[in-house]
Amino acid sequence: EIVLTQSPGTLSLSPGERATLSCRASQTVSSSFLAWYQQRPGQAPRLLIYGASSRATGVPDRFSGSGSGTDFTLTISRLEPEDFAVYYCQQSGISPRTFGQGTKVEIK
Amino acid sequence: QVQLQQWGAGLLKPSETLSLTCAVYGGSFSASYWSWIRQPPGKGLEWIGEITHSGITNYNPSLKSRVTMSVDTSKNQFSLRLSSVTAADTAVYYCARGSSSLSLWGQGTLVTVSS
Repeated sequence: EIVLTQSPGTLSLSPGERATLSCRASQTVSSSFLAWYQQRPGQAPRLLIYGASSRATGVPDRFSGSGSGTDFTLTISRLEPEDFAVYYCQQSGISPRTFGQGTKVEIK
Repeated sequence: QVQLQQWGAGLLKPSETLSLTCAVYGGSFSASYWSWIRQPPGKGLEWIGEITHSGITNYNPSLKSRVTMSVDTSKNQFSLRLSSVTAADTAVYYCARGSSSLSLWGQGTLVTVSS
């Protein structure tokens, strides 16, 4: 099973700042099979990024994904109030599909 | 616009069987994989498994002995059954569309296992 480790656990930032979230895999993940999700309190997760760097439909361009191999990054260029949430990475290249433990982006 | 609507019993006793159904509205049922994910209260996401419109399944090995997924193509619905539940199965259960990425999610169903 591929273990995804996200860091940091919590990111305290102010609106307008840049957020950089990391997802490290225990073994190589094909970029085609790395996704990022946003989850706001009380809501279902929402797909942000698929294929490591492709934005899902309707996702603002302040969200970007990058990386390859075992290291992947989600960047939010300028935080908006609605971006404070928990973010999860997920790999689907090898079964079982696995998620990282999540990074919480909170208001500083 | 495609929507997923899920339902099922929210309170179970230990050893009972969890049963949830997810209906697909407004889109092609045969064009996608359909998945189940769960989230214990205050914790992260766990992938349970996936099924195709033709009934081909792929389960998480950690749950495989207790999980059964099925589809009803006549109703554009897919279902999850999890047998012999314990308190550790208490979670919000989500249905979702997709396999390599989960592009659409149901609203979630809180299932509590308590005696």
